[in-house]
Amino acid sequence: DQQVKQNSPSLSVQEGRISILNCDYTNSMFDYFLWYKKYPAEGPTFLISISSIKDKNEDGRFTVFLNKSAKHLSLHIVPSQPGDSAVYFCAASREPAGTYKYIFGTGTRLKVLA
Amino acid sequence: IAGITQAPTSQILAAGRRMTLRCTQDMRHNAMYWYRQDLGLGLRLIHYSNTAGTTGKGEVPDGYSVSRANTDDFPLTLASAVPSQTSVYFCASSEGPGNFLSGYTFGSGTRLTVV
Repeated sequence: DQQVKQNSPSLSVQEGRISILNCDYTNSMFDYFLWYKKYPAEGPTFLISISSIKDKNEDGRFTVFLNKSAKHLSLHIVPSQPGDSAVYFCAASREPAGTYKYIFGTGTRLKVLA
Repeated sequence: IAGITQAPTSQILAAGRRMTLRCTQDMRHNAMYWYRQDLGLGLRLIHYSNTAGTTGKGEVPDGYSVSRANTDDFPLTLASAVPSQTSVYFCASSEGPGNFLSGYTFGSGTRLTVV
């Protein structure tokens, strides 16, 4: 039972254009959401987060949008750069403060073409 | 450089053997985690520890055990390895209460192959 789903295993985007990575979740109790980026042979690195009290959070070229009614979040990268080529994981947590456990999606491999 | 150190980087292990994956952090983070990454399944939580002296089960705990004797170390033990435990294992840590949105710090991973 996959509670956090990333239905697109891969995505290719031209350099300079927008990359949109999508994530759906099934548990309406999820309150906190994160995006991670992972390069080959490295551990995931934290990218951006959002809590359920917001519907948008922006950090430089990265913006995360949260649609609670649709149980959907997306990561926008504008403009996309070749260095953004990586696997992106979304993660969600439904735990009350004190346990900090996140459930991860299966990942989307982004390729930014020069 | 502050962060998480995992050892070994990779290992080939005979089925039935016992193996301990090591994880050490120098950030004084309260919480630590073990995840496994498998193709098509993403990252799945094996065990976690909210603070030294406590541990809990994640999504896929069977066949694994952990201990948290101090803040810095969080070893993961496979008592009797099976081929389905072939995976890349990531250790992670987080600061603790009130830091839901700061994310985890991950180690570089241990690639384990059970044959």
